[in-house]
Amino acid sequence: SQQGEEDPQALSIQEGENATMNCSYKTSINNLQWYRQNSGRGLVHLILIRSNEREKHSGRLRVTLDTSKKSSSLLITASRAADTASYFCATDGAAGNKLTFGGGTRVLVKP
Amino acid sequence: KAGVTQTPRYLIKTRGQQVTLSCSPISGHRSVSWYQQTPGQGLQFLFEYFSETQRNKGNFPGRFSGRQFSNSRSEMNVSTLELGDSALYLCACAQGVTGANVLTFGAGSRLTVL
Repeated sequence: SQQGEEDPQALSIQEGENATMNCSYKTSINNLQWYRQNSGRGLVHLILIRSNEREKHSGRLRVTLDTSKKSSSLLITASRAADTASYFCATDGAAGNKLTFGGGTRVLVKP
Repeated sequence: KAGVTQTPRYLIKTRGQQVTLSCSPISGHRSVSWYQQTPGQGLQFLFEYFSETQRNKGNFPGRFSGRQFSNSRSEMNVSTLELGDSALYLCACAQGVTGANVLTFGAGSRLTVL
């Protein structure tokens, strides 16, 4: 079963605009990660935020984490057509590398 | 460095058959996990292996099994295939099993069961 929900399920924006997507989860976590998937291929890691961090940046990506609300957000600034993909949040509350993924947000960036 | 290699990339089977999928992780990455991705259930964890030992197991029936070899390569097997087993099977590797580990995924094996 999935850990939580991602919102929105789909997002369509123009190139240059910002894209924001949210992730909620149910149980306590150690870390939260965001991954990107292009057209049903493998997932690519974007960013990891630890449970004691509130915000993290990587290039055009900004991730926030609110453990009191059990939620995270991913902001992609100045989007490009190449950012068109599905984005997944994933949490790891157990030992090892068992990740629990959200349902994903499909992002379409129109040129 | 080479990425995660999954074979075969595509395969078609019929109900009742069995299938074996292979995953070669990045050199030095000893943790290998398997995930099933379907439109209805999303990404679901199957199992994780580290040093040839299964460390975690998801909520899948016993028809789904896996193993890891001494060179860290891993295989998963699905026996008595059902239509619902049609999915993209993703393998992911990591260097360790403690702390915050980033997973590197392969391109997946797309299984179609007819």
